[in-house]
Amino acid sequence: DVQMTQSPSSLSASVGDRVTITCRASQGISNYLAWFQQKPGKAPKSLIYGASTLQSGVPSKFSGSGSGTDFTLTISSLQPEDSATYYCQQYKTYPITFGQGTRLEIK
Amino acid sequence: QVHLVQSGAEVRKPGASVKLSCEASGYTFTTYYLHWVRQAPGQGLEWMGVINPSGDSATSAQRFQGRVTMTWDTSTRTVFMDLSSLTSEDTAVYYCARASNRFDYWGQGTLVTVSS
Repeated sequence: DVQMTQSPSSLSASVGDRVTITCRASQGISNYLAWFQQKPGKAPKSLIYGASTLQSGVPSKFSGSGSGTDFTLTISSLQPEDSATYYCQQYKTYPITFGQGTRLEIK
Repeated sequence: QVHLVQSGAEVRKPGASVKLSCEASGYTFTTYYLHWVRQAPGQGLEWMGVINPSGDSATSAQRFQGRVTMTWDTSTRTVFMDLSSLTSEDTAVYYCARASNRFDYWGQGTLVTVSS
C-alpha cells in the first residue's frame, strides 16, 4: 500500500496569512494526488486533483504542486472559513490511501 | 446537478450486519465509479472499496474482504454496501463518493453506531 504522510498535523495561522501543507507518498504516484477540505460534521469537499488542478468552483486562493512523492497545498489570504482539516489522497493505485490530515486553525 | 443521497443513521449490536445505500442523480450512473470511505469518530478517512457499475465489478480493501459486500441497482441508480460481523471499531460515518479516477462529489454520510 502507498503510505501518505502529511505535515504538520496541525497549524495555527492568522487572517490574511499564507500556509503550506506537505504530503509525502511512500512511493512515486506521478500526479495522482488530490486534496480535500473537511469541516466538522460535514462530508469532505474536493479541492484539487491531478496535484495542481482546481475542482470547479474552488477559489484560486487554493493551489497545489508536486509530482512523484512530494506534494504541497498552499492556501493564501486565509479567512476564518478556511478553518478545517485538510487531507491528501493518492488515487494512482488501489487501495486508495489518505494522509492523516492537517487541522488548520485561524486565529 | 449531481447528488449522492445516503440512507439514514443505523444502530447495530456487535456481530450484526448493516446495509447502507447511496442513491445517485444528476449524471449518467454507469459512467462513474462509486467509492465507499469511512471515518471513525475523531479519526481520518479510510477507503473501503469501489464499484464500477459499467464494468460490473467491485473491489474492496483487503482488510474488509470477507466482511463487505458491495452491490448496485442500475435501475434505481443506487449502490449498496453490506458490512457484516460488526464490532465497536466499525462505529463511523460512512460516505459514498463519485469518481472518474479522481473523486468529485460526496454523499452526506451515514452514521453507523455499533453498541451492545
